[in-house]
Amino acid sequence: GENVEQHPSTLSVQEGDSAVIKCTYSDSASNYFPWYKQELGKRPQLIIDIRSNVGEKKDQRIAVTLNKTAKHFSLHITETQPEDSAVYFCAKTGGFKTIFGAGTRLFVKA
Amino acid sequence: DADVTQTPRNRITKTGKRIMLECSQTKGHDRMYWYRQDPGLGLRLIYYSFDVKDINKGEISDGYSVSRQAQAKFSLSLESAIPNQTALYFCATGTDRSLNTGELFFGEGSRLTVL
Repeated sequence: GENVEQHPSTLSVQEGDSAVIKCTYSDSASNYFPWYKQELGKRPQLIIDIRSNVGEKKDQRIAVTLNKTAKHFSLHITETQPEDSAVYFCAKTGGFKTIFGAGTRLFVKA
Repeated sequence: DADVTQTPRNRITKTGKRIMLECSQTKGHDRMYWYRQDPGLGLRLIYYSFDVKDINKGEISDGYSVSRQAQAKFSLSLESAIPNQTALYFCATGTDRSLNTGELFFGEGSRLTVL
């Protein structure tokens, strides 16, 4: 019910390549799916979000897709840059309670 | 700048001691949260509050208590600290429920070490 499964836990890509992080959930109450980026030693900050009535949203090099029927959503980062290196968290929100995935540590090699 | 402020930022204590982590915000948000972060486990919700008279347990509330002293203040207490409560603790706020955006704004974190 409450958990969000996030994969992979670690991802290493070459600069310029794409990165994809996937999350799954099991409840039916969640209606808002944010993604947070946490740089080393910093606080998590929202980078993109999607609501349950939308299938895809894009903001420059990042995009998020949601399949509400299958209960999974994904973050796509294109043309990765070294400054994209960070920990990324997916999350689900229902009733203003936000539950996070375990995080993906992304390394972008120059 | 309107922000979320946590004190202390770092604390080392001994097993059995009582510890309080404090959070204050100038964003005017109704919703406040406490999360703990452990490597490989992400951010886990401890308690959350929608207003001064509303307190809700999260995923891992055992061993913790909270107090919402005012709309802008939300404190987390460990009545008798134990080593497995060593973690990075984050306070977060959320916008008014009527807007339903869901975004959380985090403080800078409080690193707690229990020896």
